[in-house]
Amino acid sequence: DTAVSQTPKYLVTQMGNDKSIKCEQNLGHDTMYWYKQDSKKFLKIMFSYNNKELIINETVPNRFSPKSPDKAHLNLHINSLELGDSAVYFCATQKWGSQETQYFGPGTRLLVL
Amino acid sequence: DQQVKQNSPSLSVQEGRISILNCDYTNSMFDYFLWYKKYPAEGPTFLISISSIKDKNEDGRFTVFLNKSAKHLSLHIVPSQPGDSAVYFCAAKGLGTSYDKVIFGPGTSLSVIP
Repeated sequence: DTAVSQTPKYLVTQMGNDKSIKCEQNLGHDTMYWYKQDSKKFLKIMFSYNNKELIINETVPNRFSPKSPDKAHLNLHINSLELGDSAVYFCATQKWGSQETQYFGPGTRLLVL
Repeated sequence: DQQVKQNSPSLSVQEGRISILNCDYTNSMFDYFLWYKKYPAEGPTFLISISSIKDKNEDGRFTVFLNKSAKHLSLHIVPSQPGDSAVYFCAAKGLGTSYDKVIFGPGTSLSVIP
């Protein structure tokens, strides 16, 4: 019973395709995040949701659209995939308004060919 | 614009010795700092944190030191163990950014040699 899980773990796809990555947490946290770790290994925040509402939206192309069907899930849909989208995507959760740490999922390794 | 910097991409230390990982930041509005540890094919896991009102926080073999005037923090691991071999991310958050937005450094890969 993993606290934060992501599916799939690996995703290899062609340029131009549309794909989704799913994240689920069983910690009861009300804030969820998507991070991107690029080839230079920087972990950069993309989106943050609190109680299913978008809180943080960094300068991310419109091709990326997060969807939070409920507090336990935050999915990431990517349209028209590009080579530069190849990265590791991490989902994370946190209790809103606390200094508690964020809990990360294991990551989804996306390779766009 | 890197607000959190870890200038050493890698570090090798003998088992039993002290490991010192360094981190510098540029944003004086940061008031909370964290260290995360990451093993290959896993997500980062929280290690230790420090508030800007403190200059030291200790948890077992791990100690974080904060020098606000120098905008510098360091993580000390003593004694180092082979299981400590991982990538260590320094992170910061606070006023001036969205409340829960955490800025990560690029990481330092630590190898502890048996």
